[in-house]
Amino acid sequence: GAGVSQSPSNKVTEKGKDVELRCDPISGHTALYWYRQSLGQGLEFLIYFQGNSAPDKSGLPSDRFSAERTGGSVSTLTIQRTQQEDSAVYLCASSPRTGTPLGQYFGPGTRLTVT
Amino acid sequence: KQEVTQIPAALSVPEGENLVLNCSFTDSAIYNLQWFRQDPGKGLTSLLLIQSSQREQTSGRLNASLDKSSGRSTLYIAASQPGDSATYLCAVGSGNTGKLIFGQGTTLQVKP
Repeated sequence: GAGVSQSPSNKVTEKGKDVELRCDPISGHTALYWYRQSLGQGLEFLIYFQGNSAPDKSGLPSDRFSAERTGGSVSTLTIQRTQQEDSAVYLCASSPRTGTPLGQYFGPGTRLTVT
Repeated sequence: KQEVTQIPAALSVPEGENLVLNCSFTDSAIYNLQWFRQDPGKGLTSLLLIQSSQREQTSGRLNASLDKSSGRSTLYIAASQPGDSATYLCAVGSGNTGKLIFGQGTTLQVKP
Protein backbone atom coordinates (compact mmCIF):
# COMPACT_ATOMS: atom_id res chain seq x y z
CA GLY A 1 0.00 0.00 0.00
CA ALA A 2 0.95 3.63 -0.32
CA GLY A 3 0.70 4.60 3.33
CA VAL A 4 1.27 3.33 6.86
CA SER A 5 -1.32 0.76 7.88
CA GLN A 6 -2.27 -0.43 11.35
CA SER A 7 -4.40 -3.28 12.61
CA PRO A 8 -6.77 -3.74 14.22
CA SER A 9 -8.46 -0.36 13.92
CA ASN A 10 -10.33 -0.98 17.16
CA LYS A 11 -9.64 -3.39 20.01
CA VAL A 12 -11.70 -3.95 23.12
CA THR A 13 -10.13 -6.18 25.74
CA GLU A 14 -10.69 -7.14 29.33
CA LYS A 15 -8.37 -5.92 32.05
CA GLY A 16 -5.52 -8.35 32.54
CA LYS A 17 -5.47 -9.70 28.98
CA ASP A 18 -2.55 -9.30 26.58
CA VAL A 19 -2.95 -7.43 23.28
CA GLU A 20 -0.87 -7.10 20.13
CA LEU A 21 -1.03 -4.10 17.83
CA ARG A 22 0.46 -4.23 14.34
CA CYS A 23 2.06 -1.60 12.14
CA ASP A 24 3.03 -1.89 8.47
CA PRO A 25 5.26 1.05 7.55
CA ILE A 26 5.75 2.53 4.12
CA SER A 27 7.96 0.25 2.06
CA GLY A 28 11.61 1.23 2.31
CA HIS A 29 11.22 3.38 5.41
CA THR A 30 13.91 2.38 7.87
CA ALA A 31 12.75 4.46 10.83
CA LEU A 32 9.57 3.48 12.70
CA TYR A 33 7.96 5.17 15.69
CA TRP A 34 5.12 4.30 18.06
CA TYR A 35 3.12 7.01 19.81
CA ARG A 36 0.14 6.98 22.15
CA GLN A 37 -2.67 9.49 22.32
CA SER A 38 -4.73 9.50 25.49
CA LEU A 39 -7.19 12.02 26.85
CA GLY A 40 -5.12 13.21 29.75
CA GLN A 41 -1.65 13.04 28.22
CA GLY A 42 -1.99 14.16 24.64
CA LEU A 43 0.30 12.58 22.06
CA GLU A 44 3.43 10.99 23.50
CA PHE A 45 6.36 9.05 22.07
CA LEU A 46 6.73 5.39 23.05
CA ILE A 47 9.53 3.72 21.08
CA TYR A 48 11.72 4.18 18.02
CA PHE A 49 13.14 1.57 15.65
CA GLN A 50 15.99 1.95 13.21
CA GLY A 51 15.83 -1.21 11.13
CA ASN A 52 15.14 -4.04 13.55
CA SER A 53 16.81 -2.47 16.57
CA ALA A 54 15.19 -0.15 19.10
CA PRO A 55 17.78 2.31 20.35
CA ASP A 56 15.19 4.48 22.08
CA LYS A 57 12.58 2.84 24.30
CA SER A 58 12.43 5.77 26.68
CA GLY A 59 8.72 6.40 26.21
CA LEU A 60 7.46 2.94 27.16
CA PRO A 61 5.41 3.54 30.33
CA SER A 62 6.12 0.23 32.04
CA ASP A 63 7.67 -3.20 31.53
CA ARG A 64 4.25 -4.47 30.46
CA PHE A 65 4.90 -2.74 27.14
CA SER A 66 7.24 -4.20 24.54
CA ALA A 67 7.72 -3.95 20.80
CA GLU A 68 9.59 -5.70 18.08
CA ARG A 69 10.27 -5.19 14.42
CA THR A 70 11.15 -7.94 12.00
CA GLY A 71 12.70 -7.81 8.54
CA GLY A 72 13.06 -4.07 8.87
CA SER A 73 9.37 -3.78 8.13
CA VAL A 74 6.38 -4.85 10.25
CA SER A 75 6.32 -3.89 13.90
CA THR A 76 4.24 -5.28 16.75
CA LEU A 77 3.51 -3.46 20.00
CA THR A 78 2.53 -5.83 22.80
CA ILE A 79 0.85 -4.82 26.03
CA GLN A 80 0.74 -7.50 28.71
CA ARG A 81 -1.77 -7.63 31.56
CA THR A 82 -3.64 -4.62 30.23
CA GLN A 83 -4.91 -1.99 32.64
CA GLN A 84 -7.67 0.58 32.17
CA GLU A 85 -5.11 3.37 31.96
CA ASP A 86 -3.75 1.69 28.80
CA SER A 87 -6.90 2.75 26.96
CA ALA A 88 -5.76 5.13 24.23
CA VAL A 89 -5.18 5.45 20.50
CA TYR A 90 -1.86 3.91 19.49
CA LEU A 91 -0.30 5.53 16.43
CA CYS A 92 2.54 4.29 14.29
CA ALA A 93 4.68 6.46 12.02
CA SER A 94 7.50 5.77 9.60
CA SER A 95 10.20 7.88 8.02
CA PRO A 96 12.74 7.26 5.23
CA ARG A 97 15.62 7.42 7.70
CA THR A 98 16.54 8.61 11.14
CA GLY A 99 16.72 12.31 11.65
CA THR A 100 15.55 13.03 8.16
CA PRO A 101 14.14 16.48 7.62
CA LEU A 102 11.50 14.79 5.48
CA GLY A 103 9.11 14.20 8.34
CA GLN A 104 7.06 11.27 9.58
CA TYR A 105 4.06 9.61 8.00
CA PHE A 106 1.35 8.41 10.35
CA GLY A 107 -1.02 5.48 10.20
CA PRO A 108 -4.71 5.71 11.15
CA GLY A 109 -4.11 4.32 14.64
CA THR A 110 -5.53 1.53 16.77
CA ARG A 111 -8.10 2.53 19.37
CA LEU A 112 -7.62 0.32 22.43
CA THR A 113 -10.31 0.12 25.08
CA VAL A 114 -9.63 -1.85 28.26
CA THR A 115 -12.78 -2.74 30.19
CA LYS B 1 14.07 18.03 27.76
CA GLN B 2 12.12 19.37 24.79
CA GLU B 3 8.74 20.83 25.65
CA VAL B 4 6.20 22.11 23.14
CA THR B 5 3.41 24.52 23.98
CA GLN B 6 0.52 25.64 21.81
CA ILE B 7 -1.54 28.75 22.32
CA PRO B 8 -4.48 29.16 22.32
CA ALA B 9 -5.93 25.82 23.40
CA ALA B 10 -9.18 26.63 21.60
CA LEU B 11 -10.26 29.22 19.08
CA SER B 12 -13.63 30.08 17.55
CA VAL B 13 -13.83 32.44 14.59
CA PRO B 14 -16.38 33.42 11.95
CA GLU B 15 -15.89 32.15 8.43
CA GLY B 16 -13.56 34.25 6.30
CA GLU B 17 -11.24 35.42 9.07
CA ASN B 18 -7.48 35.07 8.86
CA LEU B 19 -6.01 33.46 11.95
CA VAL B 20 -2.73 32.53 13.57
CA LEU B 21 -1.94 29.51 15.72
CA ASN B 22 1.14 29.64 17.89
CA CYS B 23 3.66 26.99 18.88
CA SER B 24 6.71 27.39 21.10
CA PHE B 25 9.47 24.95 21.98
CA THR B 26 12.22 25.02 24.60
CA ASP B 27 15.19 23.45 22.77
CA SER B 28 16.28 24.99 19.48
CA ALA B 29 18.25 21.88 18.40
CA ILE B 30 15.56 20.45 16.13
CA TYR B 31 15.50 18.47 12.87
CA ASN B 32 12.22 19.84 11.70
CA LEU B 33 8.81 21.03 12.76
CA GLN B 34 5.55 19.58 11.49
CA TRP B 35 2.03 20.93 11.67
CA PHE B 36 -0.72 18.31 11.67
CA ARG B 37 -4.47 18.40 11.49
CA GLN B 38 -6.63 15.93 13.38
CA ASP B 39 -10.36 15.54 12.91
CA PRO B 40 -12.42 13.98 15.73
CA GLY B 41 -11.84 10.24 15.94
CA LYS B 42 -9.38 10.33 13.06
CA GLY B 43 -5.64 10.04 12.57
CA LEU B 44 -3.10 12.76 11.84
CA THR B 45 -2.87 14.55 8.51
CA SER B 46 0.42 16.31 7.85
CA LEU B 47 -0.15 19.89 6.72
CA LEU B 48 3.28 21.44 6.51
CA LEU B 49 6.83 20.41 7.29
CA ILE B 50 9.56 22.96 7.90
CA GLN B 51 13.13 21.74 7.89
CA SER B 52 15.46 23.21 10.49
CA SER B 53 17.26 25.25 7.82
CA GLN B 54 14.05 26.79 6.50
CA ARG B 55 12.10 29.82 7.69
CA GLU B 56 8.68 29.07 6.24
CA GLN B 57 6.55 26.79 4.11
CA THR B 58 3.32 27.47 2.24
CA SER B 59 0.54 25.24 0.99
CA GLY B 60 -2.58 26.83 -0.39
CA ARG B 61 -4.18 28.95 2.33
CA LEU B 62 -1.68 27.73 4.93
CA ASN B 63 1.65 29.29 5.80
CA ALA B 64 3.94 28.10 8.56
CA SER B 65 6.95 29.96 9.84
CA LEU B 66 9.85 28.86 11.99
CA ASP B 67 12.16 30.93 14.17
CA LYS B 68 14.55 28.49 15.80
CA SER B 69 16.45 31.09 17.78
CA SER B 70 13.34 32.19 19.62
CA GLY B 71 11.80 28.72 19.71
CA ARG B 72 8.62 29.70 17.91
CA SER B 73 6.48 28.64 14.98
CA THR B 74 3.22 30.03 13.70
CA LEU B 75 0.59 28.54 11.44
CA TYR B 76 -1.30 31.14 9.47
CA ILE B 77 -4.65 30.19 7.94
CA ALA B 78 -6.06 32.62 5.42
CA ALA B 79 -9.75 33.08 4.68
CA SER B 80 -10.87 30.38 7.11
CA GLN B 81 -13.68 28.00 6.15
CA PRO B 82 -15.97 25.75 8.22
CA GLY B 83 -14.09 22.77 6.79
CA ASP B 84 -10.96 24.02 8.58
CA SER B 85 -12.56 23.12 11.92
CA ALA B 86 -10.28 20.56 13.56
CA THR B 87 -7.50 20.23 16.10
CA TYR B 88 -4.13 21.50 14.92
CA LEU B 89 -1.03 19.92 16.39
CA CYS B 90 2.52 21.23 16.32
CA ALA B 91 5.32 18.67 16.63
CA VAL B 92 9.06 19.12 16.85
CA GLY B 93 11.50 16.49 15.62
CA SER B 94 14.46 16.40 17.95
CA GLY B 95 17.04 14.25 19.67
CA ASN B 96 19.21 11.58 18.12
CA THR B 97 16.18 9.68 16.90
CA GLY B 98 14.13 12.48 15.37
CA LYS B 99 11.19 11.50 17.54
CA LEU B 100 8.34 13.98 17.53
CA ILE B 101 7.43 15.94 20.63
CA PHE B 102 3.88 17.22 20.35
CA GLY B 103 2.09 20.21 21.74
CA GLN B 104 -1.36 19.79 23.26
CA GLY B 105 -3.04 21.20 20.18
CA THR B 106 -5.33 24.08 19.29
CA THR B 107 -8.96 23.18 18.64
CA LEU B 108 -10.34 25.46 15.95
CA GLN B 109 -13.98 26.06 15.19
CA VAL B 110 -14.90 28.12 12.14
CA LYS B 111 -18.52 29.19 12.22
CA PRO B 112 -20.48 29.65 8.97
